[in-house]
Amino acid sequence: DADVTQTPRNRITKTGKRIMLECSQTKGHDRMYWYRQDPGLGLRLIYYSFDVKDINKGEISDGYSVSRQAQAKFSLSLESAIPNQTALYFCATSDLEQDTGELFFGEGSRLTVL
Amino acid sequence: AQSVTQLDSQVPVFEEAPVELRCNYSSSVSVYLFWYVQYPNQGLQLLLKYLSGSTLVKGINGFEAEFNKSQTSFHLRKPSVHISDTAEYFCALYNFNKFYFGSGTKLNVKP
Repeated sequence: DADVTQTPRNRITKTGKRIMLECSQTKGHDRMYWYRQDPGLGLRLIYYSFDVKDINKGEISDGYSVSRQAQAKFSLSLESAIPNQTALYFCATSDLEQDTGELFFGEGSRLTVL
Repeated sequence: AQSVTQLDSQVPVFEEAPVELRCNYSSSVSVYLFWYVQYPNQGLQLLLKYLSGSTLVKGINGFEAEFNKSQTSFHLRKPSVHISDTAEYFCALYNFNKFYFGSGTKLNVKP
């Protein structure tokens, strides 16, 4: 089983719908992240969390919200999806104690908003 | 301000030829540098990393990168590529608890 699991892997939805992407990890890491990947733009940080009580906005947080339900779970919500939120979304974790900066990624959730 | 620039969006190369993927960074302080690889329909995985010490870093699958502080570069190289190296490669910088990614380089290895 993957250390960082994302669900769903693929989702097609309509404009205005509420969508939740879920991420769970078995690595025991404190830090969790949500990134968005668009062709030619690389990865952009949406939100990140350094522990259960810590939530921080990234560079493109508008239109998104997150919830850190437990150390192992970090979900991303789109309250009212719009077409320009069509993208590949990645959850990632890192180890606070090691702090070497290495990220461990899930396999991604591809979201299409029609 | 921190930033990472990958100069080539796509690099076509024939199998068994050498390849270099270029990465330049901007930072006023010491940084950690990484190369990640993304195979089709998969997440990113670490290829190699520079934290300190030797400027030549060896990674998985025969890749290596050289940290050049004076030129603020961290180029990725492989002396002989395989079809299986076809993927997108991302250079990344880490400091002050934040990561900064380049826009990616698609390596297309042709037979």
